[in-house]
Amino acid sequence: EPEVTQTPSHQVTQMGQEVILRCVPISNHLYFYWYRQILGQKVEFLVSFYNNEISEKSEIFDDQFSVERPDGSNFTLKIRSTKLEDSAMYFCASIREDRFNEKLFFGSGTQLSVL
Amino acid sequence: AQKITQTQPGMFVQEKEAVTLDCTYDTSDPSYGLFWYKQPSSGEMIFLIYQGSYDQQNATEGRYSLNFQKARKSANLVISASQLGDSAMYFCAMREGRRAGSYQLTFGKGTKLSVIP
Repeated sequence: EPEVTQTPSHQVTQMGQEVILRCVPISNHLYFYWYRQILGQKVEFLVSFYNNEISEKSEIFDDQFSVERPDGSNFTLKIRSTKLEDSAMYFCASIREDRFNEKLFFGSGTQLSVL
Repeated sequence: AQKITQTQPGMFVQEKEAVTLDCTYDTSDPSYGLFWYKQPSSGEMIFLIYQGSYDQQNATEGRYSLNFQKARKSANLVISASQLGDSAMYFCAMREGRRAGSYQLTFGKGTKLSVIP
């Protein structure tokens, strides 16, 4: 069964460094999402992306964050200058159609640790 | 106000017994969807079951069923015949009727289920 894949599974970076998290959505999917989960807390929506543009973003998704689909298969989340509080598990997800009952399947996540 | 409330931070269940994980939600939107996800210690988020606000019957997926009580705004997850591998965090989540392309799920804080042999 096709699945969303994320790389790397773990990323360690120094505060202030740029980091790129990579996701390969399911091949015929058109809508893409990033969520994050700070350790011990609930999962939070970051951003949704469709037709090569952001369709919605949360308050968390400030100017330090950006997303792009550089080559038609990858979907990336960039954090320009990481802060300690960016340490979290980042989940990518995708769906083919935006039907209301479409189920959202997540990738296995990237655990980001900012030191 | 919390949109999704999971009042049980932790639950224990004996292997092979059934267990109910509680979830209440708050929305004024007539169109919404309710989800349950399982997060084992390895960290991935595994989709378990979905219930739409207009669905007439309670959702079932194998050993998982959703006890949907619309008037009470509750969507409890029932796991039958618990297995050791069911030990994990369980999250309830809701999608409200938003505009197309915005699949913004709101999650609860989760319930940690421990299955005792």
